[in-house]
Amino acid sequence: GAVVSQHPSWVICKSGTSVKIECRSLDFQATTMFWYRQFPKQSLMLMATSNEGSKATYEQGVEKDKFLINHASLTLSTLTVTSAHPEDSSFYICSARDRWLAGTDTQYFGPGTRLTVL
Amino acid sequence: AQSVTQPDIHITVSEGASLELRCNYSYGATPYLFWYVQSPGQGLQLLLKYFSGDTLVQGIKGFEAEFKRSQSSFNLRKPSVHWSDAAEYFCAVGAGGNKLVFGAGTILRVKS
Repeated sequence: GAVVSQHPSWVICKSGTSVKIECRSLDFQATTMFWYRQFPKQSLMLMATSNEGSKATYEQGVEKDKFLINHASLTLSTLTVTSAHPEDSSFYICSARDRWLAGTDTQYFGPGTRLTVL
Repeated sequence: AQSVTQPDIHITVSEGASLELRCNYSYGATPYLFWYVQSPGQGLQLLLKYFSGDTLVQGIKGFEAEFKRSQSSFNLRKPSVHWSDAAEYFCAVGAGGNKLVFGAGTILRVKS
């Protein structure tokens, strides 16, 4: 149980284009999903918290107009990197919190998406 | 503010040897504590978690961790390491408001 998928697993795009990454909780409902960014040999940096049916909450320094987050259902959140540039190249990981474990901070992570912007 | 310290960036152990990965946290209340493992190019897998009760918690893959309030620690242990345990390990504390605060990670290398 508690499986989170991400699609695509890797993507290469040209500078200036937009890329959408999907995060799905496969066997549980997630009222809250999280988007992280991880640079090589570094820990995870929380970008934003996504709550189903409401606007995402972005961490300080994260451009909300550049990283668009939508959480339209209890099993799907999407991150769209708009007008991507080479500095946006990174490993993006999502996680989901089981609605029935809401008070425990337990997050289940997806396998990540490697974005390379040329 | 909450913080997590993993003092060891790299650890190398021989296959079959015991392992202990250190984690210290800073949090005002009783924390929720987690250990995750990440293989290269992969997401994070939850190894174990502590919420309350018994301070020694068992996880998957033969790992265990002990919560010591007096030392603000939550060290991860395994009695006998396998080559497949080579990965990066992250300690995290539930910081309230849904968020997790992660340590910097410890890379485990296993030598045969």
